[in-house]
Amino acid sequence: DAGITQSPRHKVTETGTPVTLRCHQTENHRYMYWYRQDPGHGLRLIHYSYGVKDTDKGEVSDGYSVSRSKTEDFLLTLESATSSQTSVYFCAISDGLRGNEKLFFGSGTQLSVL
Amino acid sequence: DAKTTQPPSMDCAEGRAANLPCNHSTISGNEYVYWYRQIHSQGPQYIIHGLKNNETNEMASLIITEDRKSSTLILPHATLRDTAVYYCIGLSPLGGYQKVTFGIGTKLQVIP
Repeated sequence: DAGITQSPRHKVTETGTPVTLRCHQTENHRYMYWYRQDPGHGLRLIHYSYGVKDTDKGEVSDGYSVSRSKTEDFLLTLESATSSQTSVYFCAISDGLRGNEKLFFGSGTQLSVL
Repeated sequence: DAKTTQPPSMDCAEGRAANLPCNHSTISGNEYVYWYRQIHSQGPQYIIHGLKNNETNEMASLIITEDRKSSTLILPHATLRDTAVYYCIGLSPLGGYQKVTFGIGTKLQVIP
């Protein structure tokens, strides 16, 4: 299994509080992604990174920010959590080798915003 | 990247072959077809991918039609552990996963 660790695995927080989710990889892969998964919506891309300090928005980026100061770490921050951000969050990594580019996912973080 | 269409659910008897279809009529010539699956609440897992030729690995076989407008993932002898949601996506070598939309996939239920 690819070395991807998400923390925390579960988080309960209150509306309006900031929350940071961490993704740590040991594969030295260039690309890192944050997805959220909600019933009926499949996986939706929040933000992604294509290198240290290089990030870009995905499909559902409003209310989220990210940072990547080291190759191995990709942080997702909810500046002021809302109930609509209650979801399961998955981090994923890929090596960017076009034509044989597999995506490896972490185990997910269940976030509940009350 | 190609938009893909999959049936929302399928059943398969344990021990039988599970054939999961995917339509990708808008796929371009350089886009690969990738399959992933998600077991219960785990993170999705890569299964197989292909461009034009049929592919087989230890997990499954992938059959791509000659016109590349559709494909079928085959699990030759389905087990209860194959119960999962299966995602079919088109991936361009130029775009990367940031251009990919994962739909809701096909929920495969393997029945004892």
